[in-house]
Amino acid sequence: DAKTTQPPSMDCAEGRAANLPCNHSTISGNEYVYWYRQIHSQGPQYIIHGLKNNETNEMASLIITEDRKSSTLILPHATLRDTAVYYCIVRVLYNNNDMRFGAGTRLTVKP
Amino acid sequence: GAGVSQSPRYKVAKRGQDVALRCDPISGHVSLFWYQQALGQGPEFLTYFQNEAQLDKSGLPSDRFFAERPEGSVSTLKIQRTQQEDSAVYLCASSLVSGGLTPSTDTQYFGPGTRLTVL
Repeated sequence: DAKTTQPPSMDCAEGRAANLPCNHSTISGNEYVYWYRQIHSQGPQYIIHGLKNNETNEMASLIITEDRKSSTLILPHATLRDTAVYYCIVRVLYNNNDMRFGAGTRLTVKP
Repeated sequence: GAGVSQSPRYKVAKRGQDVALRCDPISGHVSLFWYQQALGQGPEFLTYFQNEAQLDKSGLPSDRFFAERPEGSVSTLKIQRTQQEDSAVYLCASSLVSGGLTPSTDTQYFGPGTRLTVL
């Protein structure tokens, strides 16, 4: 079973920030938060990961609450190409079968 | 550089046929993973290799599923006597190395998948 809860779908206007929430209330101290996305008919694409500090890369920002029980993926200026299913995953590094994707959030960016 | 590649991209099989799906990982990546993704669901773990050693096959749904990576690079997922419930997208992923060194070396990169349809 997935260790995360995400809304099934969200809409966002093109050019606006997309904020995708994820609850992981049972996260343990050695588990990382990973985000992937899957555009239609493609394999999942790695976006970003974090442990407890906020992280930013060229694709997105990851905000993790202080108690680590939830996080938000931020796409600062969403484009139509960002339409995809976004998966939030919590996992320990040494557990190789621990990538539990769940159902994800289907983000639709609208013009 | 080149990412993970998979072939064929699409495969149609009649029930009872054997199929073989190929994965070419990112060059130099030690770890290789196979996942199964049913329609409308997230990927689910099937099996994992470190070099040529299959270290975890706990996700394989039945003994009709077999995976190998004989030289530690290319991997093949074989399904014998296919059934309609085997219809899914089969995804391959690789990582530089797996096992807790750092999250960067442990990050999995996915191929485009093979869509298998069993009639």
